[in-house]
Amino acid sequence: ILNVEQSPQSLHVQEGDSTNFTCSFPSSNFYALHWYRWETAKSPEALFVMTLNGDEKKKGRISATLNTKEGYSYLYIKGSQPEDSATYLCAFINEVDNQGGKLIFGQGTELSVKP
Amino acid sequence: DTGVSQNPRHKITKRGQNVTFRCDPISEHNRLYWYRQTLGQGPEFLTYFQNEAQLEKSRLLSDRFSAERPKGSFSTLEIQRTEQGDSAMYLCASSRIETQYFGPGTRLLVL
Repeated sequence: ILNVEQSPQSLHVQEGDSTNFTCSFPSSNFYALHWYRWETAKSPEALFVMTLNGDEKKKGRISATLNTKEGYSYLYIKGSQPEDSATYLCAFINEVDNQGGKLIFGQGTELSVKP
Repeated sequence: DTGVSQNPRHKITKRGQNVTFRCDPISEHNRLYWYRQTLGQGPEFLTYFQNEAQLEKSRLLSDRFSAERPKGSFSTLEIQRTEQGDSAMYLCASSRIETQYFGPGTRLLVL
């Protein structure tokens, strides 16, 4: 069984705070890691696809890093805004499943940003 | 809006009834996925299609579940004889290469 774990489960921050979450995944047979943002009543939105050890990706105030050897990825949000409030999901693709692209999700980190 | 649509958005049904959900993917995407999310969990893979061929099914997909993708376009997911444990958000996603684009989901409540 492949486990993908995210921490913390939920996070409450004030507007302007910077924050980060962790995604842990199996370090063997790694193929890719995806990050999604899911706002209530909307579709999950793709943030990043990361494939190489040491990868660092950035989209506005959000960035992510990847360590495939130790099996973790960090997502950072700089200067959180209320519109960043959402559930952030990471999803792992096993090398065995890379042809099909089956995503194995963590349980998500629910972020709430107070004005 | 990702371009993937799902209908209905919400469905309430009584135990034992059959339900069918529809997913319309982004038109040039050859892959289509179904996932299910229950409260407090991340989405779990159910099945996927490459064009019209169903290439993988999860063990989560019991005999009461069937999915189709006729002509490699839209897909339907049918649940027969629904049970209360089927209550969940059912998500559809499509892709051409690596990024999967998700629809807004169909929330099913079985009473």
